[in-house]
Order: sequence, then structure tokens, then C-alpha cells
Amino acid sequence: EAGVAQSPRYKIIEKRQSVAFWCNPISGHATLYWYQQILGQGPKLLIQFQNNGVVDDSQLPKDRFSAERLKGVDSTLKIQPAKLEDSAVYLCASSSQPEVEAFFGQGTRLTVV
Amino acid sequence: GQQLNQSPQSMFIQEGEDVSMNCTSSSIFNTWLWYKQDPGEGPVLLIALYKAGELTSNGRLTAQFGITRKDSFLNISASIPSDVGIYFCAGRGGYGGSQGNLIFGKGTKLSVKP
Repeated sequence: EAGVAQSPRYKIIEKRQSVAFWCNPISGHATLYWYQQILGQGPKLLIQFQNNGVVDDSQLPKDRFSAERLKGVDSTLKIQPAKLEDSAVYLCASSSQPEVEAFFGQGTRLTVV
Repeated sequence: GQQLNQSPQSMFIQEGEDVSMNCTSSSIFNTWLWYKQDPGEGPVLLIALYKAGELTSNGRLTAQFGITRKDSFLNISASIPSDVGIYFCAGRGGYGGSQGNLIFGKGTKLSVKP
């Protein structure tokens, strides 16, 4: 079974630019998560989707971050405008249902200069 | 908010040695998970614990859910070079919670000398 796919793997942008990340979850997985992992830290949840609806976005900095999962499958996470402190690995994870432990993708490493 | 204290921060051991790391919290958790993350990869689930006092093994790995529900440990026996990586604990409070309620520790970086 194919795993969680993320792209791009790496991205370098200047501060105040915008950037978007893409995630394709495991086929059939209704629950999708975006995490932010700053160097030296564990992952921190940004947003959780159930199908195409948002379940939890309490830790998403909504002034600059947005995410969508329009058809309940693929998802995109956008940052606009980026700040230096947004440099991190952005991980996508999916599970068949919220109570089941999720599988993580390889992540996108973002560097803001 | 809830926080996890994971220790040690890093370990440098000889191949063949046993390894022990732990996580503690001031809050009660109802689930403890242990992950391993290799460079450039996402975390991979190693062991999941759902019951206080539970002791679970996965090959050379053994993890326990503390009886107070505020701590968990992970042991690796007879370490090998491929055990190198960062190990994260994660806890979830509340019953029937989702992955989204997970709190992660800061990780233990394991280095193994052949």
C-alpha cells in the first residue's frame, strides 16, 4: 500500500513570500493532519480534517496559514506571508478514522531566509 | 497546557548495549505512543500503549505504560547500528480522543557506535 505522499521535499523562500505544500493521504483515509516540526522539537498539530471538514484548527496561525481539503482527499497547506520562524518540517499524516493511529509522510522541509 | 518531559535528550552507546528512555508528565494520559524518526523521514509508530500498567514488546523494543498514567518508558535491547535515530514519546489525554490530541516529547537522539 502506498504511503502518505508529500511535495515538495524541500523549499527555500525569502521572508514575506508565500509557499504551498501538498499532501496525498493513504487511499481511503478519511482523517488527515498537518503538523509543524521545528528543529529539535516533536511535531505540533496545526490542523485536523475529517473528510473535507475541519475538526481542529486551534493551533493554526490563521493570520498567515491556511489549509484546505476540498474533495476530502488531497490537501494543501499555505503560508502567506512567511516569517523566519516558519522554518520547519511540515508533516502530513492520515488515518482511516480519528481514533486510529496515523501514518506520517516524509515531510516538506521549509527554510525561510 | 500539557507537556511531556522526555529524557535523556541524547544517548551515545556501543553496539550491543541496552537503551532506556522515558517520558513523564504532570497530567494523566490515557494513551502513550513511541515513535522513531530517521533523518529526512516522518515519524514511524513503534509501540502503542492504551492501558495503565501495560507492558508491550515489539522485537527488541519494550515499552510500558506507567501505573500512575503520568509516565512511560521505552527499552531497546542489544542495540544495533540501525537503531540510530530520534525517538519520540507522545501522549493523549481524554478517552476516545483522536491523533489530533497527541502531545509529543522533544525526542531522544540515539547514536550507536559499532
